[in-house]
Amino acid sequence: ETGVTQTPRHLVMGMTNKKSLKCEQHLGHNAMYWYKQSAKKPLELMFVYNFKEQTENNSVPSRFSPECPNSSHLFLHLHTLQPEDSALYLCASSQDERGLGNLGTEAFFGQGTRLTVV
Amino acid sequence: GQNIDQPTEMTATEGAIVQINCTYQTSGFNGLFWYQQHAGEAPTFLSYNVLDGLEEKGRFSSFLSRSKGYSYLLLKELQMKDSASYLCAVVIRGGGFKTIFGAGTRLFVKA
Repeated sequence: ETGVTQTPRHLVMGMTNKKSLKCEQHLGHNAMYWYKQSAKKPLELMFVYNFKEQTENNSVPSRFSPECPNSSHLFLHLHTLQPEDSALYLCASSQDERGLGNLGTEAFFGQGTRLTVV
Repeated sequence: GQNIDQPTEMTATEGAIVQINCTYQTSGFNGLFWYQQHAGEAPTFLSYNVLDGLEEKGRFSSFLSRSKGYSYLLLKELQMKDSASYLCAVVIRGGGFKTIFGAGTRLFVKA
């Protein structure tokens, strides 16, 4: 148990569906992240939130829409996805003391949501 | 550009020692992480090096040479449970901090 919980663990959705991934951290961290992990490829940073403000969007298609209502919760809203979006989506949190964002400190990861787009 | 290289797969025997290498070409280096990820699970933190040298933590040690752009993770007294992917991640600084992950090394420990 890392203190970061993601739901659901598995999700199968059609290309016309709308779904949301949820992440909750119980560590009191001020920064949260969405990563995409595809088979045999490096972890790809998608979004960074620092003190609930989005500080980075790594050219992610608009069919992925993040939401951070407070420093403990992070959502990833999905709509009209493509089969190539099938991957493991990982949420992480860290304590970013300097407010500069982006995993300059140890990150705690959730177990991920295994997404399959059919 | 920023680039991190690690071997794709390695196999070692239970009880042995294995060294997983990571080389990087980055600008604004600000530290290097190693994470362990078992299949279907979250990556978990193993080590963080920012200065040259060896950091030892139980059976695991991590080494960094900034001048060579090189790090390794050393696992001693291998156990079956050490079978996992090992991710090298470099922190770079340029405006803010950014962490770039390597593709990971899958380690198979056999009896």
